[in-house]
Parts: sequence; structure tokens; C-alpha cells
Amino acid sequence: KAGVTQTPRYLIKTRGQQVTLSCSPISGHRSVSWYQQTPGQGLQFLFEYFSETQRNKGNFPGRFSGRQFSNSRSEMNVSTLELGDSALYLCASSPGQGYSPLHFGNGTRLTVT
Amino acid sequence: QKEVEQNSGPLSVPEGAIASLNCTYSDRGSQSFFWYRQYSGKSPELIMFIYSNGDKEDGRFTAQLNKASQYVSLLIRDSQPSDSATYLCAVNDNQGGKLIFGQGTELSVKP
Repeated sequence: KAGVTQTPRYLIKTRGQQVTLSCSPISGHRSVSWYQQTPGQGLQFLFEYFSETQRNKGNFPGRFSGRQFSNSRSEMNVSTLELGDSALYLCASSPGQGYSPLHFGNGTRLTVT
Repeated sequence: QKEVEQNSGPLSVPEGAIASLNCTYSDRGSQSFFWYRQYSGKSPELIMFIYSNGDKEDGRFTAQLNKASQYVSLLIRDSQPSDSATYLCAVNDNQGGKLIFGQGTELSVKP
């Protein structure tokens, strides 16, 4: 079974620009979660989508948004990029019921200059 | 604010020894607990998960959960240099994809 696939692997953007990251979950998984990882803050939860609906949301500004499509693929968008948005963005999928473990993709490394 | 606490390390053990990694959590209502391993520059990889009090063994790994003490640990027997990584403890915030992660413990296994 293929794992979680994230594209692109690396991105370099300029302050003020916007960026879209993509995630394809494990086949059959209906939940997709997004996390931001930085050396100072560790892994922080952004949001979760289940069956095309946002089910959980973390404490990030509205510049961070996402969506999920009918095939469970998900995208995350960050608008008006700031230097502090430089991070590893991780997508994770799970079946979505109960307390299932999350399986992470390889991540997208975003650098904002 | 729900929190998960881990010693940042580094924890250094000799090859073949038992490595013991510890984690405490603040929410007494937490139901599921996870250990992830993350190599430098890579994404987190699921090692173990545990839902019930007691021990759960998988190969060289044993997860231990004590809900009364709000404590979960990971034991790695016969540690190998390839086990050198950061180990992340995570707790479910609810029945969804929101996990609360500790800051991670860096483990170094010396040959």
C-alpha cells in the first residue's frame, strides 16, 4: 500500500507570496491532518479534514487554510507569507474513526526569504 | 492548555543496553498514546501506540502506560546505533487527527 504523498518536497518563496501544498493520503484513509514543525516550537497541529469537512483546527492565523476533496486528497494554503512560516509542513492520514494512529508523509520544506 | 512533557536529552546509551524514554501528559481524559521516531531531516515514523494501562510489546520495543500517574514510557531493548533518533511522544486530543506532541527526546546509541 502506498504511503502518504506530499508535494512538493521543497519550496522557496518570498515574503508576501502565497503557497499551496498538496497531500495524498493512504488509500482508504478519510482523515488528513496538517502539522507544522519548527526547531523552536516542535510539531504543532494546524487542522484536520474528514470527509471534506474541517473537523479540528489548531491555533494558527487565518492565513493558513486548507481543504479536502472527494477523493480525500488535501491541500493547504498559506497566504501573505512571513519569515516565521519557514518550517517543515507535514501531512498525516488515518482512517478517521476512533483513536487511529496517524501516518505521516515526507513533508514539504518551506523556506520564506 | 493540554501539554505533553518529555526530557529533551540527549539520552546516551551504549549499544546493547536498554534505552528508557519517558513522557507525562496533562489531560487525565486522554485515551490514546503514540510513540514516533524521527531521524534528522525525515518525517515522524510510528513506532508504537497504546490505549490500555500496562505494557505492550512489539519486537525490541515496549510501551508502558500508567493512566493514574499520567505517564507513558518507551523501552528499547538491545539498543542499536540505528536507533539513534529523536523520539516523539504524542497524545490524542480527541477522536480525530489532532495529536499533541512533546518536544521529543534525542537518543544516541554509542557503538
